[in-house]
Amino acid sequence: DQQVKQNSPSLSVQEGRISILNCDYTNSMFDYFLWYKKYPAEGPTFLISISSIKDKNEDGRFTVFLNKSAKHLSLHIVPSQPGDSAVYFCAASEGADKLIFGTGTRLQVFP
Amino acid sequence: NAGVTQTPKFRILKIGQSMTLQCTQDMNHNYMYWYRQDPGMGLKLIYYSVGAGITDKGEVPNGYNVSRSTTEDFPLRLELAAPSQTSVYFCASSRDGEQETQYFGPGTRLLVL
Repeated sequence: DQQVKQNSPSLSVQEGRISILNCDYTNSMFDYFLWYKKYPAEGPTFLISISSIKDKNEDGRFTVFLNKSAKHLSLHIVPSQPGDSAVYFCAASEGADKLIFGTGTRLQVFP
Repeated sequence: NAGVTQTPKFRILKIGQSMTLQCTQDMNHNYMYWYRQDPGMGLKLIYYSVGAGITDKGEVPNGYNVSRSTTEDFPLRLELAAPSQTSVYFCASSRDGEQETQYFGPGTRLLVL
């Protein structure tokens, strides 16, 4: 049973435009959500997070939105840059417990 | 500050062989984790540790063992390797109170033939 789902395996966006990556979850007890970014042949790196008590968190070009009623979160990258091309994993946890990861979305930003 | 380091980078094993994947972190983190990532899948937690001498099973522990004798090191042991253990293995660590923000190593690619 996949508790964290990323239904789009890939996304292609033109440089300068907005990238929107989506994530759905099923466990209503999740209280912390994160996005990790992964380049080929490297480990994932933490990008941005949001607590369930908030609905938005922004860090530079990256904004995460949380819709608890829909059990949905999204990552917005604006403007997108070629260096943003990577695989993005959504993750969730319940009470600082173990992270549950989604399957990832491969973002390609083209010139 | 090297962060989380893993050795080897790549290894081919024959079915039934055993090996140890090494993981070391120099950030004095108490929490350490082992994940595996299969193609097209997310990361699955194998084992984790909340401090030296304390380990616990994750989602997919079968076929693996761990130990944590020091804060820095968290080796993962594969006994009797099977083709189903072909995967990329990531080690990670995190600070007390910030367990969700994990720092990952570069991974070990393992092929079992």
